[in-house]
Amino acid sequence: AQSVTQPDIHITVSEGASLELRCNYSYGATPYLFWYVQSPGQGLQLLLKYFSGDTLVQGIKGFEAEFKRSQSSFNLRKPSVHWSDAAEYFCAVVLPEKLTFGTGTRLTIIP
Amino acid sequence: GAVVSQHPSRVICKSGTSVKIECRSLDFQATTMFWYRQFPKQSLMLMATSNEGSKATYEQGVEKDKFLINHASLTLSTLTVTSAHPEDSSFYICSARDLKRGPFEQFFGPGTRLTVL
Repeated sequence: AQSVTQPDIHITVSEGASLELRCNYSYGATPYLFWYVQSPGQGLQLLLKYFSGDTLVQGIKGFEAEFKRSQSSFNLRKPSVHWSDAAEYFCAVVLPEKLTFGTGTRLTIIP
Repeated sequence: GAVVSQHPSRVICKSGTSVKIECRSLDFQATTMFWYRQFPKQSLMLMATSNEGSKATYEQGVEKDKFLINHASLTLSTLTVTSAHPEDSSFYICSARDLKRGPFEQFFGPGTRLTVL
């Protein structure tokens, strides 16, 4: 079945440390991929997207993601996290026309 | 650009009453709008897809008579929760698609917190 998976429910990172959030998808064709961030009680903000071309995508707030077809992954990275990055992060895939979300990863930042 | 608003941001109602939530695209025309539901600490689940001037397409398991969707203009879609019950309490988020920016990207509203007493 076509799906998108975020294996990590909750991640805790020290401020200033690097971050990687995992996202895997199951889909036969090349997918359209997104990462969104949601602060508590808020809507979703688009961090970055991948449709085609360069597999390393730069987004807002210093985030980047790399599409790896061989691993069916689209992991989100940030070299140095800030306390304001604490939020819920959702990977989403267009499967095939509807936007399907992963279960989300909650990011906690410790001083 | 590509701003989507929702009103109200928070609503509390009594069981059995109806509640209307508005979703507006402020600076673009949205031929398609989407309604999602999010339970606490869970992901977003698509409820229905709303196309301007036509009937909404509901996802499996979503009661169309309970969740009435109207998309009367290119900038406004409404979701009416009829005869609300406590189990309808949730966070409702709308999104809108601007075909000029591509067929797949959606812009999300800030959400509406519904509490049914």
